[in-house]
Amino acid sequence: QLQIQESGPGLVKPSETLSLTCTVSGDSMSSGNYYWVWIRQPPGKGLEWIGSFYHTWNTYYYNPSLESRVTIYADTSKSQLSLKVTSVTAADTALYYCARQGQLVGFDQWGQGTLVTVSS
Amino acid sequence: DIQLTQSPSFLSASVGDRVTITCRSSQYISGFLNWYQLKPGKAPKSLIYTASTLQSGVPSRFSGSGSGTDFTLTISSLQPEDFATYFCHQSYTTPYSFGQGTKLEIK
Repeated sequence: QLQIQESGPGLVKPSETLSLTCTVSGDSMSSGNYYWVWIRQPPGKGLEWIGSFYHTWNTYYYNPSLESRVTIYADTSKSQLSLKVTSVTAADTALYYCARQGQLVGFDQWGQGTLVTVSS
Repeated sequence: DIQLTQSPSFLSASVGDRVTITCRSSQYISGFLNWYQLKPGKAPKSLIYTASTLQSGVPSRFSGSGSGTDFTLTISSLQPEDFATYFCHQSYTTPYSFGQGTKLEIK
């Protein structure tokens, strides 16, 4: 059974870099025709797609609204997807989710999310 | 970018009620519309993909319909475990976008 787990510091100072790791177990990140994605939800607000990795083409896709500050990296040998967001502000405070996306099935498997607070 | 407008934002209902949530897209998205259920402290759950296909294991009281720009999620008979927040999501084109959510509360 596929399991997705996000991890990382819960508190980041303004202007610093937020770094999170998503660890996938129970299946390989390289199996099937899947994208691996990061999504976030600020407190009391809606969901925002951050970006995706597609292993078949070894390609990354980013939300243009965040692209200048975001880097996603996949290490399929470790079954890990990482996220870095630079120059964070309070607006980056959110619950960060890692998820799997199938070609037609949407985001079909999610992690529980990890809360990151940006504060001095 | 494609905007999704969900309504209502809040919905108060009772166990056994039939409820419908709507999601309207600012652009044509064919049938690439998905629905999710979020509960605090739990992993979000995928309910429906491509507008009307139930994810494996999702109870049949959930159903989805629509195409083009207008979509609905219907719960035929609310159960206690259905009180949660629901989001629609378009996977037609990047940047992928979500509706603002519908919080379903117990009346």
